[in-house]
Amino acid sequence: HLQMQESGPGLVKPSETLSLTCTVSDGSISSSHHHWGWVRQSPGKGLEWIGNIYYGGRTFRNPSLKSRVTISVDTSKNQFYLRLSAVTAADTAMYYCARHKEAATGSPFDYWGQGTLVTVSS
Amino acid sequence: DIVMTQSPDSLAVSLGERATINCKSSQSVLYSSNSQNYLAWYQQKPGQPPKLLIYWASTRESGVPDRFSGSGSGADFTLTISSLQAEDVAVYYCQQYYSTPPTFGGGTKVEI
Repeated sequence: HLQMQESGPGLVKPSETLSLTCTVSDGSISSSHHHWGWVRQSPGKGLEWIGNIYYGGRTFRNPSLKSRVTISVDTSKNQFYLRLSAVTAADTAMYYCARHKEAATGSPFDYWGQGTLVTVSS
Repeated sequence: DIVMTQSPDSLAVSLGERATINCKSSQSVLYSSNSQNYLAWYQQKPGQPPKLLIYWASTRESGVPDRFSGSGSGADFTLTISSLQAEDVAVYYCQQYYSTPPTFGGGTKVEI
């Protein structure tokens, strides 16, 4: 039974970079059958897809965040990562990592981490 | 981006009664080449991540009780809970994965 767990700082200062890690267990991130993604949820904007990555490193990002988002993967650690630069209070949200059911952005999310709350504040 | 609009924002249903949630997309999410609607439904309980219930508009995810059903095509979709149970109290979201970025509806809160 696949499990996903987010980790990273819960508090980030404005203008700095948010960095999160998603660790996947009981399943391989090197699977050719799935994309691995990030989704955030805030009271103001609801659920918002940030982007995803394939094990080979190809990434897809939400155009609304594209210039600030970097997603990377380390298959040896079975982890993938999110970096969001130049954060503002609007980036305060619960951040989830999630697995796409297929190796396509055009597929639903069938496994989710429990989420990690990130607050942007000085 | 495709805008997903859910209605109602909330509804109260008696135990054992039917709950119906609507979702409308700003453009069709029906892919003509495979006749599939790129539409999913999720359930989110307090303090938990969303849980996939339905995909391809009407295919139940493994382990999801058969009281949950999805219907609709094109731009209009419905999630039905045929006989509401206490454990179904949650917020329900629709999501389109027809085009990038995938987008979600604003959610419908179901209460007893």
